[in-house]
This record gives sequence, structure tokens and C-alpha cells, in this order.
Amino acid sequence: GAVVSQHPSWVICKSGTSVKIECRSLDFQATTMFWYRQFPKQSLMLMATSNEGSKATYEQGVEKDKFLINHASLTLSTLTVTSAHPEDSSFYICSARPIAGGYNEQFFGPGTRLTVL
Amino acid sequence: GQQVMQIPQYQHVQEGEDFTTYCNSSTTLSNIQWYKQRPGGHPVFLIQLVKSGEVKKQKRLTFQFGEAKKNSSLHITATQTTDVGTYFCAGNSGNTPLVFGKGTRLSVIA
Repeated sequence: GAVVSQHPSWVICKSGTSVKIECRSLDFQATTMFWYRQFPKQSLMLMATSNEGSKATYEQGVEKDKFLINHASLTLSTLTVTSAHPEDSSFYICSARPIAGGYNEQFFGPGTRLTVL
Repeated sequence: GQQVMQIPQYQHVQEGEDFTTYCNSSTTLSNIQWYKQRPGGHPVFLIQLVKSGEVKKQKRLTFQFGEAKKNSSLHITATQTTDVGTYFCAGNSGNTPLVFGKGTRLSVIA
């Protein structure tokens, strides 16, 4: 149980285009999902906290107009990287916190590797 | 803000040797979690510790949470090549988002 999927698993796009990444909790409901970014050989950096039915909470230094987050249902959150540039190339990972279950437990998706040319 | 420091950054061991990674928080934690990330993969949840002084074991892995709930360790006994990966600790206070340490990359030489 507690499976989180991400789509796509990888994407290559041209500079200036927008890319949407989906994060789904497959067998549980999550009011809270988190979006992380991980550069090569570095740790996970929290970008934003996505709350179902409300606006996302962005971490300091993360542009909310560039990284649009929508959490429209208890099983789906999306991250849209708008007007992507090469410096946005990274591994984007989402995680979901079950409504019921262990306190603060998070389950991670497999990640989306974004390459911007 | 809350910071989580993890050492060492890298560790190379011979197969069969033990391995330990340490995690320290600048603030008292409600809980600490450990994750393993294989090369090219995503973090996989290993365990969560919530009680002061708690010790949990998973086969060859031993996890400890300090009495002051500000530090933690992961010890692997007799490492195997399957243990290769990066081990992250992550903690938070209350309902705040998890803050991850920088991770310890373990390589095991057969």
C-alpha cells in the first residue's frame, strides 16, 4: 500500500516552454502533498506544500508564479514549471502524507527528471 | 529556521564492515525519519522514531533517537553490496514540513 505515482517520469523540453508534472496517491487520500527538487548529488529541497482545496505554501526563494501548484483533489497534485529555463533542469519529487496513518509519515513518488535545453 | 545536519557526507566500506551515519538538528524534533535512495531512484521510507531515546531495529539496521530528540543515528552491521545508496535523515517539529539532511552516500566494496 501507500503508493505514489508521478507522470511523466522524465521530460525534455525547449527553453521557454511550460511543463506539467502530476503526482497521484494511488491507494490513499492525502490532504497534503509536498514538492521537492533535488539537484545531482544533493539533498531534497522542499519547494512547496500543497494543500487540497487551498493555495500552496511556498518555501523562501521559490517563485510561486514560476512553479504553479494545483491540488484539486485528495489524490492529485500538479506542478507546472512555467517558461522553463536550463537552470530549472532537476529531479522533481513529490510526496504525500496520508490522511489516516502514521503521524507525519510521507510517501514519495518516483520523481520526474526535467531537462530543459 | 530548522536545520538538519548529517555526517559523514560519504563513506566507503569493505563488504562486511559496519557503517554509521549521524544526524543532528538545531531544534528539538517531534519525530525523525530515515530514507534510503538508491542511485537513480527516489527516497524510500525506512523508519520513523518519535520517542526520546528510542531504538528500533530492522534486520542489520539499528536506528536511534537521542534523549534530547535532537540527534539520531543509523547503524548498519556487516554491510552488503545491496546497502549501497544515500541515506537521508529528515525531521520536523509539530506539523511543519520535513527538513532533510544532506545525506550520507554509502559505497560498499566487495
